[in-house]
Amino acid sequence: AQSVTQPDIHITVSEGASLELRCNYSYGATPYLFWYVQSPGQGLQLLLKYFSGDTLVQGIKGFEAEFKRSQSSFNLRKPSVHWSDAAEYFCAVVSLTGANNLFFGTGTRLTVIP
Amino acid sequence: DTEVTQTPKHLVMGMTNKKSLKCEQHMGHRAMYWYKQKAKKPPELMFVYSYEKLSINESVPSRFSPECPNSSLLNLHLHALQPEDSALYLCASGTPGGWEQYFGPGTRLTVT
Repeated sequence: AQSVTQPDIHITVSEGASLELRCNYSYGATPYLFWYVQSPGQGLQLLLKYFSGDTLVQGIKGFEAEFKRSQSSFNLRKPSVHWSDAAEYFCAVVSLTGANNLFFGTGTRLTVIP
Repeated sequence: DTEVTQTPKHLVMGMTNKKSLKCEQHMGHRAMYWYKQKAKKPPELMFVYSYEKLSINESVPSRFSPECPNSSLLNLHLHALQPEDSALYLCASGTPGGWEQYFGPGTRLTVT
């Protein structure tokens, strides 16, 4: 069965530092992968998606992610974090069997310190 | 218009009340979703409507009753809820393949 794992529950970085959030997937075929961000008490905003093609995908707010099939990973990166990036980040995969639903990882909470 | 709107933002209801959550989108999406999200957890899928027809019910208790009056609107009718139903209820819309979903801001529900 398809699933995504986010190994880091909570990450703290300094403002201006680089960021990498990890996501590993389990899926038999090429997965369709997403990163969403959720500010406290808010809905989820789509940051970026990977369906096929170029394995380095650019998203909104200066985020990018790289699909690595050999490592079953889709890690999210940002070269310089801003205080406003503090939020919960969810990796998700679409199941292409049956109902084509989104399966979310457990999330990584990002804290940014001045 | 690239927004999904949800009303109300906050709702407090007793266990004997009947209330409804509303969701609206004008992006021409033909799939709409209800999710439930408890604190510090990922969203959990409740219902999926595809082309205004209920296509998925993830074993949700009957005290939650979805309705899709047209392609732009999605309601969630609530009746005789339990305190453990307190959560953030998120609506999303997207393509019927579920490949991209766009979420509303959610309704924070508290059951007393």
